[in-house]
Amino acid sequence: DTGVSQDPRHKITKRGQNVTFRCDPISEHNRLYWYRQTLGQGPEFLTYFQNEAQLEKSRLLSDRFSAERPKGSFSTLEIQRTEQGDSAMYLCASSIGGSYNSPLHFGNGTRLTVT
Amino acid sequence: AQTVTQSQPEMSVQEAETVTLSCTYDTSESDYYLFWYKQPPSRQMILVIRQEAYKQQNATENRFSVNFQKAAKSFSLKISDSQLGDAAMYFCAYRSGLDYGGSQGNLIFGKGTKLSVKP
Repeated sequence: DTGVSQDPRHKITKRGQNVTFRCDPISEHNRLYWYRQTLGQGPEFLTYFQNEAQLEKSRLLSDRFSAERPKGSFSTLEIQRTEQGDSAMYLCASSIGGSYNSPLHFGNGTRLTVT
Repeated sequence: AQTVTQSQPEMSVQEAETVTLSCTYDTSESDYYLFWYKQPPSRQMILVIRQEAYKQQNATENRFSVNFQKAAKSFSLKISDSQLGDAAMYFCAYRSGLDYGGSQGNLIFGKGTKLSVKP
């Protein structure tokens, strides 16, 4: 168990640019979640996958956001035409199914700063 | 919609003492789970303790225990014998027990409580 890995750790971009983040879950975990955390707030759910299927998307996930998990392993989160309000920590988590006995394991996050 | 409220933005405790962090939640569901997560300055969220709503017995994990009051919708975390390494943000989280629309597993977090431990 090497844990959930996220890349990059930090990303600074100019408003209007596109950015992509990557998440590698724990290998045997079939569920993968994306959360966003702004300063002074708890994480907010964005979307989640079971294997390669995206099963739920939050209303926070505007049309500029897209997430993929093409082979049911790693996932990418892309933000197009970034805005200053997108500045936040983006957290990835994984779990085995949705059972209570398999809690979410989080990565270290990617901190996005939009200038 | 379910909500989670942590009314203490910051708390402080002396090393070796006991501290209690508060959490209340609002839900119309009867089947759900509650969690406390810890987020140290390194940022990785770590599960501290979890509680099934149908269990009356309060969960305990070493120095960490909860006081779960289902009728009052309260879920406080008690840390005994506080250590310097306990300093972190603590988040209370709720998850529905219902498996509908794929929402199983989606956690709803409170805003967190920043715990400082004084040597």
